[in-house]
Amino acid sequence: NAGVTQTPKFRVLKTGQSMTLLCAQDMNHEYMYWYRQDPGMGLRLIHYSVGEGTTAKGEVPDGYNVSRLKKQNFLLGLESAAPSQTSVYFCASRQAGTGKDEQYFGPGTRLTVT
Amino acid sequence: EDKVVQSPLSLVVHEGDTVTLNCSYEVTNFRSLLWYKQEKKAPTFLFMLTSSGIEKKSGRLSSILDKKELFSILNITATQTGDSAIYLCAVALNQAGTALIFGKGTTLSVSS
Repeated sequence: NAGVTQTPKFRVLKTGQSMTLLCAQDMNHEYMYWYRQDPGMGLRLIHYSVGEGTTAKGEVPDGYNVSRLKKQNFLLGLESAAPSQTSVYFCASRQAGTGKDEQYFGPGTRLTVT
Repeated sequence: EDKVVQSPLSLVVHEGDTVTLNCSYEVTNFRSLLWYKQEKKAPTFLFMLTSSGIEKKSGRLSSILDKKELFSILNITATQTGDSAIYLCAVALNQAGTALIFGKGTTLSVSS
């Protein structure tokens, strides 16, 4: 039982390049989330999904797109990377309908855009 | 605008000290308040609080919620160097997806 995994762990991009971050969970959770964490800013929600085939915008969605084609995977895409997207990206998941709001986090992806 | 404010932003204490971390919130649709500990990587869950006045405890850590005054505290007694971390407070909103709104965190450093 690996929990929540993220690929890659580190990446350096040049401005204007594109990439996709992959999040996978093996806990059969309904809900999945993408956050970014910047120094002194806490975690901010980018996009989230309440089930396969659904996505919704969070607090800071601009410059990102997401897809949830399979229940266990949640992809975060950057179409044209900008230096302002340099950050640590965390994926999280949680089960629906349990009364527990705890989200389980992946280990993070450190992205640098030069 | 929903917001969660933590104080202090950073704290340095000596081993054995007791610390209190604060979290206040202003949100439109409160569901629960959660505390996380973040060391080098992913945040790990500590507590979830939904009712006022009921203390949650786990070893040397405890937390309580006041829904009238809109705040929570996290206490750590007899601190150890292993308690050094960022402590994050988050509020879960009562909406589809139950999004979490995080505070900026309190960085705790415990010196030996």
